[in-house]
Amino acid sequence: ETGVTQTPRHLVMGMTNKKSLKCEQHLGHNAMYWYKQSAKKPLELMFVYNFKEQTENNSVPSRFSPECPNSSHLFLHLHTLQPEDSALYLCASSPSSGADTQYFGPGTRLTVL
Amino acid sequence: KQEVTQIPAALSVPEGENLVLNCSFTDSAIYNLQWFRQDPGKGLTSLLLIQSSQREQTSGRLNASLDKSSGRSTLYIAASQPGDSATYLCAVEMGGYQKVTFGIGTKLQVIP
Repeated sequence: ETGVTQTPRHLVMGMTNKKSLKCEQHLGHNAMYWYKQSAKKPLELMFVYNFKEQTENNSVPSRFSPECPNSSHLFLHLHTLQPEDSALYLCASSPSSGADTQYFGPGTRLTVL
Repeated sequence: KQEVTQIPAALSVPEGENLVLNCSFTDSAIYNLQWFRQDPGKGLTSLLLIQSSQREQTSGRLNASLDKSSGRSTLYIAASQPGDSATYLCAVEMGGYQKVTFGIGTKLQVIP
């Protein structure tokens, strides 16, 4: 266990649905991240939050909406997704600085029908 | 734009062999380089992190080297075991701004 949990672990949704992914870290870290991992593609950084403030948005479509209410929790709100958004969504956290290791959660396997 | 390439894409070796995984990156102005392990359907586990000022890091049977000027890193696994079977990912961070670029990974299978 890395101290980073993600729920749900699996999610199937239609293109018109609205759902949310949740990430929680119990490590006292100040930075949290969302990544997308598609088949046969490198892991893609989506969002970075430092001390609850978004510091990176890697040109992610607006149908993905992150929320960081506190340093321990990170959400990814999903609406009107496309089938090509089907992927493994990974959350990570780190103490804050760029010199630190990121600790990853187990991921949410998302399928968009 | 930073690009990270990992060779080979897949590797199958008998148990006990020493092996080397390769990672190359196009922009040498990196802040650090990290090797991760990913088991099927699971998240990533950090193995080794090398700062840009360092040449190598070691942890148990793992040794990672970094040649920043040539844009290369290697992960050496000694005396491989079936439990080492996983996908190994290389990631580089630019400028300390937590902008990390990953390679696609090397899928390793160690045969008993």
